[in-house]
Amino acid sequence: GAGVSQSPSNKVTEKGKDVELRCDPISGHTALYWYRQSLGQGLEFLIYFQGNSAPDKSGLPSDRFSAERTGGSVSTLTIQRTQQEDSAVYLCASSLLSGRPDTQYFGPGTRLTVL
Amino acid sequence: QQQVKQSPQSLIVQKGGISIINCAYENTAFDYFPWYQQFPGKGPALLIAIRPDVSEKKEGRFTISFNKSAKQFSLHIMDSQPGDSATYFCAANFGNEKLTFGTGTRLTIIP
Repeated sequence: GAGVSQSPSNKVTEKGKDVELRCDPISGHTALYWYRQSLGQGLEFLIYFQGNSAPDKSGLPSDRFSAERTGGSVSTLTIQRTQQEDSAVYLCASSLLSGRPDTQYFGPGTRLTVL
Repeated sequence: QQQVKQSPQSLIVQKGGISIINCAYENTAFDYFPWYQQFPGKGPALLIAIRPDVSEKKEGRFTISFNKSAKQFSLHIMDSQPGDSATYFCAANFGNEKLTFGTGTRLTIIP
């Protein structure tokens, strides 16, 4: 069975460039989360999509960060004008919302390096 | 209010020993406390989880102990094995909202 997939697995970019990170959640999962994991740090919440509700964007660190979820499935996290401090592993998770609470399943992450 | 504090930052345990990782939380609204295991280059994977209506949950060699009054919970790994060497994160949330994670514990099991 397919789990959460993310692409690319690694991304190296130059400071000031825009990047797009993709997440394919588990089929049928209605909730999707983005987290960021910096070297030696824990996981930091970024944004949460739940069905057709307005997303919870409370974790986005700046207006350079945005995310979309099209058709209730695939999500794209966009970082504009990347900075060196954006270097981290970006993790996507999805959950079924079949009950309360529900397990969040994580993808392998995208490692972003900003030079 | 949302913080989850985890200790120790790193832990070395001899094979066959007991590994213990502790977490404390502040938000009394939290009602779900999972532990995630993460191997290098992989995403976190759910290991075991507990809700505050029980004080202990055991799954194989892994046990969560939960103290609601102290707002603390811990992970015990019995008969620790080299394959348990990984980074462990405690977390907490309420409903299906975002998880608030601890800072992680790097566990190394030595022969």
